[in-house]
Amino acid sequence: GQQVMQIPQYQHVQEGEDFTTYCNSSTTLSNIQWYKQRPGGHPVFLIQLVKSGEVKKQKRLTFQFGEAKKNSSLHITATQTTDVGTYFCAGSRTSGTYKYIFGTGTRLKVLA
Amino acid sequence: DTGVSQNPRHKITKRGQNVTFRCDPISEHNRLYWYRQTLGQGPEFLTYFQNEAQLEKSRLLSDRFSAERPKGSFSTLEIQRTEQGDSAMYLCASSAPPWIATNEKLFFGSGTQLSVL
Repeated sequence: GQQVMQIPQYQHVQEGEDFTTYCNSSTTLSNIQWYKQRPGGHPVFLIQLVKSGEVKKQKRLTFQFGEAKKNSSLHITATQTTDVGTYFCAGSRTSGTYKYIFGTGTRLKVLA
Repeated sequence: DTGVSQNPRHKITKRGQNVTFRCDPISEHNRLYWYRQTLGQGPEFLTYFQNEAQLEKSRLLSDRFSAERPKGSFSTLEIQRTEQGDSAMYLCASSAPPWIATNEKLFFGSGTQLSVL
């Protein structure tokens, strides 16, 4: 079945340092979404990428979808303590099926 | 937008008992999802509905799990003969139809934490 892996599993950074998490799917994806889950909270949608090679930015966050539509990355520039949480990618294999498989997540801790 | 509502927030039960959870999605959202999440893991897909139709159910899900969305609005998830391995956070999410939203964003509820003793 479809599997979505993320690396690293954990990342500790000093405030102000950059952070990147990588997402890899065993199958080609129709689109990919990214979510953030704060400790004790539920996943909150960040963005959706659809096109091969697509890059989107949200302030300090940069999201990229691979050319083969099997991998994606999230990069945070100059982390802040408010960035703490677990970041999940979620992929849909087939357009129009709406079944999203979540990745294993990357837990980010930011040291002030 | 009142958000996705889940009840109860917490459920403690004894092994072998049946439990039922309820999810009220955001109004006008036609798709409703159930996920299960254990500590340190990503949400695991269980099933999803489009309106009242259950379009897909995870093959990992045993026959003890059943979900319904009888009128295309709220949904219930029932677990029969609970086992200790069923202990997890059960998350519900909903998403809007394409004529309302430009993406397939999932809005999650706060979840129901199940503990099976």
